[in-house]
Amino acid sequence: SAVISQKPSRDICQRGTSLTIQCQVDSQVTMMFWYRQQPGQSLTLIATANQGSEATYESGFVIDKFPISRPNLTFSTLTVSNMSPEDSSIYLCSVRSDFYEQYFGPGTRLTVT
Amino acid sequence: GQQVMQIPQYQHVQEGEDFTTYCNSSTTLSNIQWYKQRPGGHPVFLIQLVKSGEVKKQKRLTFQFGEAKKNSSLHITATQTTDVGTYFCAAPVGYKLSFGAGTTVTVRA
Repeated sequence: SAVISQKPSRDICQRGTSLTIQCQVDSQVTMMFWYRQQPGQSLTLIATANQGSEATYESGFVIDKFPISRPNLTFSTLTVSNMSPEDSSIYLCSVRSDFYEQYFGPGTRLTVT
Repeated sequence: GQQVMQIPQYQHVQEGEDFTTYCNSSTTLSNIQWYKQRPGGHPVFLIQLVKSGEVKKQKRLTFQFGEAKKNSSLHITATQTTDVGTYFCAAPVGYKLSFGAGTTVTVRA
């Protein structure tokens, strides 16, 4: 299994500002996934990040709002831009093993005021 | 939209009792995965089922994959307070996973 760390673990931000979330994996992985989990809800995939190419975004999520970087095979960042209270959520990064199960980071708990 | 439907959404269980949560799909699945998320935590992989009719056990947890590979269940016997959390099933859609809505379990001591 992979060990994944995320920074920050939580933050409280003002509306209109941006927050960049970092995700570090202890092994090289091809795909990294970014999810959003709103309170009491299931996981919603935001985008898939591959090293060396642009991220692939799911319906309802756009690059201008959620720019992603993937500079190498162990690291990725997700930025939540021009935040509004509706962006208050838990943001999780995840990687997939060779056997297709997914491992999640501890999450970033974001509150926008 | 979600490929898999999960029921019930909430399960309130008396400590020591058994319960089952179900996951259903309208299409045949290549595999089904189950995850557990403790309150305040992140989803943790529990198990993957691949074969038709497969049954796997992890201590008090029994996972089943239907014969038609369109449904799955998680049965917990003698529920303990450590079983509190949300259980998600998830099915692959290409290289991605589609998660069910989850069953949130609370336990009455």
